[in-house]
Amino acid sequence: GQQVMQIPQYQHVQEGEDFTTYCNSSTTLSNIQWYKQRPGGHPVFLIQLVKSGEVKKQKRLTFQFGEAKKNSSLHITATQTTDVGTYFCAEGAQKLVFGQGTRLTINP
Amino acid sequence: DSGVTQTPKHLITATGQRVTLRCSPRSGDLSVYWYQQSLDQGLQFLIQYYNGEERAKGNILERFSAQQFPDLHSELNLSSLELGDSALYFCASSVFDRTSGYGYTFGSGTRLTVV
Repeated sequence: GQQVMQIPQYQHVQEGEDFTTYCNSSTTLSNIQWYKQRPGGHPVFLIQLVKSGEVKKQKRLTFQFGEAKKNSSLHITATQTTDVGTYFCAEGAQKLVFGQGTRLTINP
Repeated sequence: DSGVTQTPKHLITATGQRVTLRCSPRSGDLSVYWYQQSLDQGLQFLIQYYNGEERAKGNILERFSAQQFPDLHSELNLSSLELGDSALYFCASSVFDRTSGYGYTFGSGTRLTVV
């Protein structure tokens, strides 16, 4: 079945540094969704990307979908302590297939 | 507030027992999706119901079953529980926003601990 590989598994940064997580697939993705899960919380939907080469921004977050629709990235500029959590990519429609997530911790 | 309500928040039970998890989807949403989140398997899709009928199935064990009632709430039944069934169980509804696109809004989950 479809698999999405997400790296890195963990990332620790100083507050104010940038952060990027990557999602890769060996096959073409129909769409990619990104979620954030705070410690002890539930996944929260951030964005969906559908088109090849698509770039979307939400304040300090930039989401990209690769030209071949086989990879995606989430970049956070100038991290803040509120960005702490695990970021997941996911692919699919009815059945979402999630990546393993990147856990972001931040040193204030 | 996601609009998706799950009860109970926590459940502790013994191996071999049976439990029922409950979910009320967002108002007006005919679909309900169940996911399991465990340390070793990550977030996995279990099953989807739409207006009372099963629509899609994932890696759901035979010991697990679900149903959706006429009022659209859903129940996930887990039986013959094993230690490995300890996990967070989430219910979700679909969402759409012009800016963000299509996605899913998750309930706060039920944390199941099997001892």
